[in-house]
Amino acid sequence: GNSVTQMEGPVTLSEEAFLTINCTYTATGYPSLFWYVQYPGEGLQLLLKATKADDKGSNKGFEATYRKETTSFHLEKGSVQVSDSAVYFCALTGNDMRFGAGTRLTVKP
Amino acid sequence: EAGVAQSPRYKIIEKRQSVAFWCNPISGHATLYWYQQILGQGPKLLIQFQNNGVVDDSQLPKDRFSAERLKGVDSTLKIQPAKLEDSAVYLCASSVSGRGTGELFFGEGSRLTVL
Repeated sequence: GNSVTQMEGPVTLSEEAFLTINCTYTATGYPSLFWYVQYPGEGLQLLLKATKADDKGSNKGFEATYRKETTSFHLEKGSVQVSDSAVYFCALTGNDMRFGAGTRLTVKP
Repeated sequence: EAGVAQSPRYKIIEKRQSVAFWCNPISGHATLYWYQQILGQGPKLLIQFQNNGVVDDSQLPKDRFSAERLKGVDSTLKIQPAKLEDSAVYLCASSVSGRGTGELFFGEGSRLTVL
């Protein structure tokens, strides 16, 4: 069945550092790919998505490109802020949404 | 626009007791999902409704978990009897449709602790 694997955390960075969180997927067909974020004390919310190969999703300075050849959807941000501290989930959907285990990011001033 | 509403936010029970969680999705959203999120893990789908019909309940432990979505609007998830391993956050989400490109909108979750 469909599944995603994302890099284990936690990840701790200094403010303005470059962020990469790796995500690879296994799927039949052509799933849509998502990154969700969960800030402390809040519910999950969509950060960005891509619906077909080579699409780039972007939001709040974060980007991820749907790479079919490497079955990947890595999340990147050029300069993280303290406010980006959260848990990030990679997800894919065919008939239902499947989530990775989550990567906790802590950004220190 | 009101978001997905869930209650209660927190519940503590002893094992073998029962508990029920309620969810009211965003108005007009046909698809409703219940996820279980155990600490340190990603959300796991328990059941998906399309209007008031079940689309997928393959990962729902049916010997103790049940869910219903009467009239295709709000939904209730019940656990009876609870086990220690049921301690988790129960997330409700909704989407406009169940097709793959749609965004899910999540509630804040109901945190269950089973002692």
